[in-house]
Amino acid sequence: EADIYQTPRYLVIGTGKKITLECSQTMGHDKMYWYQQDPGMELHLIHYSYGVNSTEKGDLSSESTVSRIRTEHFPLTLESARPSHTSQYLCASSGDLGSTTDTQYFGPGTRLTVL
Amino acid sequence: GQQLNQSPQSMFIQEGEDVSMNCTSSSIFNTWLWYKQDPGEGPVLLIALYKAGELTSNGRLTAQFGITRKDSFLNISASIPSDVGIYFCAGNKDSNYQLIWGAGTKLIIKP
Repeated sequence: EADIYQTPRYLVIGTGKKITLECSQTMGHDKMYWYQQDPGMELHLIHYSYGVNSTEKGDLSSESTVSRIRTEHFPLTLESARPSHTSQYLCASSGDLGSTTDTQYFGPGTRLTVL
Repeated sequence: GQQLNQSPQSMFIQEGEDVSMNCTSSSIFNTWLWYKQDPGEGPVLLIALYKAGELTSNGRLTAQFGITRKDSFLNISASIPSDVGIYFCAGNKDSNYQLIWGAGTKLIIKP
């Protein structure tokens, strides 16, 4: 069973607020990912990181930003939330150090609602 | 654009029936993964396939990596109510570790 955690699980906030979604994994994985998913729809990659101090944007444009200061931690920040940011945000990680495996393991997600 | 075609989009089945779903692509993949997602949760890995022709089982689930490396299928035998959910295929075709995702197959069990 994967050890990857996301907090909060649910968040309802007003427009214009700054928020940070937390993601941590205890598997020592070097690669981490953030996906955005509307209910019942496919996953869209918005950010990824292949190691500390390495972050890249994914295929879906997002106004959010990420940081990777520690291997186990990959927070996502929205400086000014808008209703269009309402979605489920999923964090994933993969690959023990030096491994070539592509298998990604997911956290439970954060369901964000911006009013 | 969508590079993986997952079908069917949804399935209505009776409890006890066998289920089959697949993913196809015009590109060659190095890895195929099958996930299940329950409402409000993250996807959970069911089966990972790493070699062409590989056939792997996980309980009542069986998945195969197509010999052409352009497709994969997932079978569920003797479905039960807890099989309800959305099943996603995902594959990797480059060395950059990013996955390409199918649009999902929603499994619904008829009462």
